[in-house]
Amino acid sequence: AAGVIQSPRHLIKEKRETATLKCYPIPRHDTVYWYQQGPGQDPQFLISFYEKMQSDKGSIPDRFSAQQFSDYHSELNMSSLELGDSALYFCASSLRRTSLGEQYFGPGTRLTVT
Amino acid sequence: GNSVTQMEGPVTLSEEAFLTINCTYTATGYPSLFWYVQYPGEGLQLLLKATKADDKGSNKGFEATYRKETTSFHLEKGSVQVSDSAVYFCALSTSSYSGGGADGLTFGKGTHLIIQP
Repeated sequence: AAGVIQSPRHLIKEKRETATLKCYPIPRHDTVYWYQQGPGQDPQFLISFYEKMQSDKGSIPDRFSAQQFSDYHSELNMSSLELGDSALYFCASSLRRTSLGEQYFGPGTRLTVT
Repeated sequence: GNSVTQMEGPVTLSEEAFLTINCTYTATGYPSLFWYVQYPGEGLQLLLKATKADDKGSNKGFEATYRKETTSFHLEKGSVQVSDSAVYFCALSTSSYSGGGADGLTFGKGTHLIIQP
């Protein structure tokens, strides 16, 4: 079965640079979520979108923004990168009308800020 | 706010031992509860779920029962294998009754399980 696709899988940036992470949800899923997972930590919810509208907001820094497009894919834009932004970034997706909260995760993008 | 508490790891067991990983939660209303598993270098895989009180989720020999009276969702397996070595996360969602439908998951800190041959 098709899964969530994230690109790139690995990204190395320098401080103060920008980064864009992409997420392609499972076909027919209409809701996407972004999470950040630091080393040895649990995933922290950043933001979610349903039908291109922001649905829920977690601990997303003001330097980050995200959007969902008409084909349901989503992009997380990160500016003025800091060393502390080094983490695994996961995208997850779900189908709102049938979901009771379960989300399906992609393999993640490992961002390293030097 | 919502929170999930699970037992600290690492938990080290011998192959074929019985496994229990405790998980308790705090949430308003009646959340859906999940166990996710994360293998080294990989994403999170949904292991099992329960969406209402007394529901039992099960998958791959793992089980967990939604206990509203004790606000718990403990993960159990009768006989673990080396391949079960991973990090296990308990999580909850309030999407089913929040009206928003796309609430972020609240995770516990994770339990690192190590199974020795």
